[in-house]
Amino acid sequence: EDQVTQSPEALRLQEGESSSLNCSYTVSGLRGLFWYRQDPGKGPEFLFTLYSAGEEKEKERLKATLTKKESFLHITAPKPEDSATYLCAVQAVTRRIVQGAQKLVFGQGTRLTINP
Amino acid sequence: EAGVAQSPRYKIIEKRQSVAFWCNPISGHATLYWYQQILGQGPKLLIQFQNNGVVDDSQLPKDRFSAERLKGVDSTLKIQPAKLEDSAVYLCASSPRGGRENTEAFFGQGTRLTVV
Repeated sequence: EDQVTQSPEALRLQEGESSSLNCSYTVSGLRGLFWYRQDPGKGPEFLFTLYSAGEEKEKERLKATLTKKESFLHITAPKPEDSATYLCAVQAVTRRIVQGAQKLVFGQGTRLTINP
Repeated sequence: EAGVAQSPRYKIIEKRQSVAFWCNPISGHATLYWYQQILGQGPKLLIQFQNNGVVDDSQLPKDRFSAERLKGVDSTLKIQPAKLEDSAVYLCASSPRGGRENTEAFFGQGTRLTVV
């Protein structure tokens, strides 16, 4: 069964204090790993897709990296507006001939708070 | 481009009552998902449609939950009868393409259900 574990569950940083969020996964075959941002009372907002080990993607103060067992979301010099819950999800390869995009299996999220 | 639309935003019902949620995906998106997100947890897939056919409903409690997607566009999710443990946010998402490509899911704002 595909599993995703995120750590820490919650993280509180000062503005400008860089850090990383971890996403460990177990999947029979990885088709893609996704990072989402979720603000209170809203649906998840797509950030990145990573497809293979060694791949990196950046967006403003965020950089996502991928290895064969985990992904990191690095936050450089964060601002209060970066406060949110960050969700990681995996999309697995399936042997079944299934039409359509495969389902995403999510971790429990990391709740990030940036204090001014 | 308009996003995924969901209604209602909030619903409070008593246990054993029934409730229905509506979703209008992004125009042209073939894949539609319903996820359940319990407070403090990541989203969990309930059902996935490709056009108007069901692709995955393995985690849908079929004794009380049902869903349909008419004409491959709008979808409704129904709970009858509701239990206290059904209190959660119900998220609808859609993906642009079919086949086996990696595709991110775009989420709506969600419907927050409280069962009392």
